Amino acid sequence: SFVLTQPPSLSVAPGQTARITCEENNIGSHTVHWYQQRPGQAPVLVVYDNTDRPSGIPERFSGSNSGNTATLTINRVEAGDEADYYCQMWESINDHVVFGGGTKLTVL
Amino acid sequence: QITLRESGPTLVKPTQTLTLTCTFSGLPLTTSGVAVGWIRQPPGKALEWLTVIYWDDVKRYSPSLESRLTTTKDISKNQVVLTMTNMDPVDTATYYCSQRRGSSWSRWGQGTLVIVSS
Repeated sequence: SFVLTQPPSLSVAPGQTARITCEENNIGSHTVHWYQQRPGQAPVLVVYDNTDRPSGIPERFSGSNSGNTATLTINRVEAGDEADYYCQMWESINDHVVFGGGTKLTVL
Repeated sequence: QITLRESGPTLVKPTQTLTLTCTFSGLPLTTSGVAVGWIRQPPGKALEWLTVIYWDDVKRYSPSLESRLTTTKDISKNQVVLTMTNMDPVDTATYYCSQRRGSSWSRWGQGTLVIVSS
């Protein structure tokens, strides 16, 4: 089964770019989704199908997935982006769902 | 507009069975492709997928918890019910129900905190 590895934490200054990674062998051959979870709130889908954004999600959020790494990129980081971010994929062979361990993004 | 809301006990004792209900609207669980799942999150820890139930009553469970989980749906009430047996303090978590769209979880309930303690 898959294990999605994320860095536990990342700190970025306002206005800079945050890149949050999600690693697993050959993850590029799978579909990855990303969720934002602010403190005390339910997760919110911010990127689905590797690169697509749900309506209402700012264009500053983007995703990519290739090789052994999927990446969530947040451009021009704002204080409101401070949250935990989780990657997720679907193991199609057995129809199971896997989440990464989460990355806590701190905006300095 | 699709909404989901979890309900159930806040406190359960060790060894008891937990029953949680997800009540949804705007989500026809009789329509091909529609699915609802449960995901939990222990305090300060990561999200953990538990189960999904599809419109055609196919069910999938997390391998590590499969022996303890049961999920059912009641179309007439627009509800999905999660049952977890033999509760333990390590099962203390916020339990979320969510709409699955494609292979992502597109809408979530607000979550319900379940504490397992004697």
